[in-house]
Amino acid sequence: ETGVTQTPRHLVMGMTNKKSLKCEQHLGHNAMYWYKQSAKKPLELMFVYSLEERVENNSVPSRFSPECPNSSHLFLHLHTLQPEDSALYLCASSQDDRAWGLTGAFFGQGTRLTVV
Amino acid sequence: GENVEQHPSTLSVQEGDSAVIKCTYSDSASNYFPWYKQELGKRPQLIIDIRSNVGEKKDQRIAVTLNKTAKHFSLHITETQPEDSAVYFCAASSWGKFQFGAGTQVVVTP
Repeated sequence: ETGVTQTPRHLVMGMTNKKSLKCEQHLGHNAMYWYKQSAKKPLELMFVYSLEERVENNSVPSRFSPECPNSSHLFLHLHTLQPEDSALYLCASSQDDRAWGLTGAFFGQGTRLTVV
Repeated sequence: GENVEQHPSTLSVQEGDSAVIKCTYSDSASNYFPWYKQELGKRPQLIIDIRSNVGEKKDQRIAVTLNKTAKHFSLHITETQPEDSAVYFCAASSWGKFQFGAGTQVVVTP
């Protein structure tokens, strides 16, 4: 499959559960991102990995834990979430060409997360 | 950090008319400005982008302009069609840190 794929597409979890979101990109990019999209709010940048190193952690609570084992895979580990964490979580990838920084991000379909 | 403001939040246009969405940014180091279109229930998709060394870029009915001095950039859609109805997001990137505007809901009425 081409592009950026995310699994699962939908997730319902209790506040005491532990779950993980998975993202895989087939574009040969070297940077990956997690964004949170809530209703009527801008896309919120959570984490950026460039060349498998985390280069941005945008004041995200520790109940969200990212993992980037290689340039094609990105995970978001979730534990003891709150109802306000319910949102669409979007993964994206991009190419860092060093001359101009990162190029446009290509998004996955997202995981619709509901915390009950 | 970067702060991106986008206006208007909603825009209703008659089919065939033009639509303009404006964004301002705060970080003078931002050097890359992509625009995304997000249809209901779908992922944001890159539709056009512009780098800081260019003032204007056009792709068929879509154009983007950039004023670095004033720190604002705009999306122009001409001859709008019903399939242009979507939420449009601007973004500003400073070396890999994409910050998005709040989005503009565009509705094209026949």
